[in-house]
Amino acid sequence: GIQVEQSPPDLILQEGANSTLRCNFSDSVNNLQWFHQNPWGQLINLFYIPSGTKQNGRLSATTVATERYSLLYISSSQTTDSGVYFCAVALQGGSEKLVFGKGTKLTVNP
Amino acid sequence: DAGVIQSPRHEVTEMGQEVTLRCKPISGHDYLFWYRQTMMRGLELLIYFNNNVPIDDSGMPEDRFSAKMPNASFSTLKIQPSEPRDSAVYFCASSLVGFVKANTEAFFGQGTRLTVV
Repeated sequence: GIQVEQSPPDLILQEGANSTLRCNFSDSVNNLQWFHQNPWGQLINLFYIPSGTKQNGRLSATTVATERYSLLYISSSQTTDSGVYFCAVALQGGSEKLVFGKGTKLTVNP
Repeated sequence: DAGVIQSPRHEVTEMGQEVTLRCKPISGHDYLFWYRQTMMRGLELLIYFNNNVPIDDSGMPEDRFSAKMPNASFSTLKIQPSEPRDSAVYFCASSLVGFVKANTEAFFGQGTRLTVV
């Protein structure tokens, strides 16, 4: 099956710093989503981005489908950004399965 | 819409007991997914439904697990008998259409934290 690898696995930042999270996937995909799992466990949709670039406030994401990777940028990080960030993909031509990476755990210190 | 609603939020049960987790998808969504999250295995898909019909249950770990969707607004995941290794967070998610053919997002409920002692 498709492999989804996220890096780094852990990231510690000071408030105000910028960061880049990466998601590599092993095959062509029809669907790619970024989620934020907050400290209470809730999975929050950040971006649906199978290709191209999107921005939402301090967050932006870019997916280069031909090179099989996606990047999530967090600028001017805040303590509320802490949590785990997941990338999830659905294989092109495959079944309706959204496969998750293992996530990047982000800790933003005040 | 209130989003995907799961109940209970927390469940503690003794080994051997039956556990039923419940999910109400977003109205109008044709797909419903059950995921399990553990430290060891991360988020893994257990089963998904399309228009109330189970399509792929290859992720269901054992025959002790079963899932039903009697109508478009309700689904259950049942574990009978439960074992300590079933302890995990179980998420339900729904999407308007399937991921393969159309642009769509999955929306997740808040999860049920199951502890089997």
